[in-house]
Amino acid sequence: EVQLVESGGDVVQPGGSLRLSCVASTFTFSNYWMNWVRQAPGKGLEWVANIKRDGSEKYYVDSVKGRFTISRDNAKNSLYLQMNSLRVEDTAVYYCVSFDVGWGQGTQVVVSS
Amino acid sequence: QAGLTQPPSVSEDLRQTATLICTGNSNNVGDRGAVWLQQHQGHPPKLLSNRNNNRPSGISERFSASRSGNTASLTITGLQPEDEADYYCSAWDTSFTGWVFGGGTKLTVL
Repeated sequence: EVQLVESGGDVVQPGGSLRLSCVASTFTFSNYWMNWVRQAPGKGLEWVANIKRDGSEKYYVDSVKGRFTISRDNAKNSLYLQMNSLRVEDTAVYYCVSFDVGWGQGTQVVVSS
Repeated sequence: QAGLTQPPSVSEDLRQTATLICTGNSNNVGDRGAVWLQQHQGHPPKLLSNRNNNRPSGISERFSASRSGNTASLTITGLQPEDEADYYCSAWDTSFTGWVFGGGTKLTVL
């Protein structure tokens, strides 16, 4: 079974920064585009960003452009999300996702003063 | 960006068949198909079907996905109590250059 394990979520003040990490196992990580998807409390799912297999292409939802950066390290089977200038509306559970193979358990990010 | 359209709720009897619908356009569902996700309250989403309508390992054969034009469908046969959950569809949108989601359908098994 696919394993994607996120970490790095925390409570942070508006304007602060966090770095989320995701470690993949049981599948060939480097073969897949990877994504971050978030879910605000009581809300639906929102795609945040994705990155091509070799890291050469990245796409972001407009609301995070210029503030979030997605990256990956295929040698470590790891996906990252650097989150800067955090806003209250970024509060959500963040999931590490391959739309081809599976989802992680999520990591909670709370932005609050 | 416009998301995909799903009915908010569907109810069906135990051991019967439910078909969930997801409507998009030629830039998303109609282009490369949709994925289907199941989410139980308080749990992360689980991938039920990828864009090729294939089930990941461990997903019951009772779940089958298909597509016709800009509409994707998820059929669940032999409904069980544990099938009560929220079901989301998602597709890559070539005009938005990102993944879009439906608002989710809450399935109730009567």
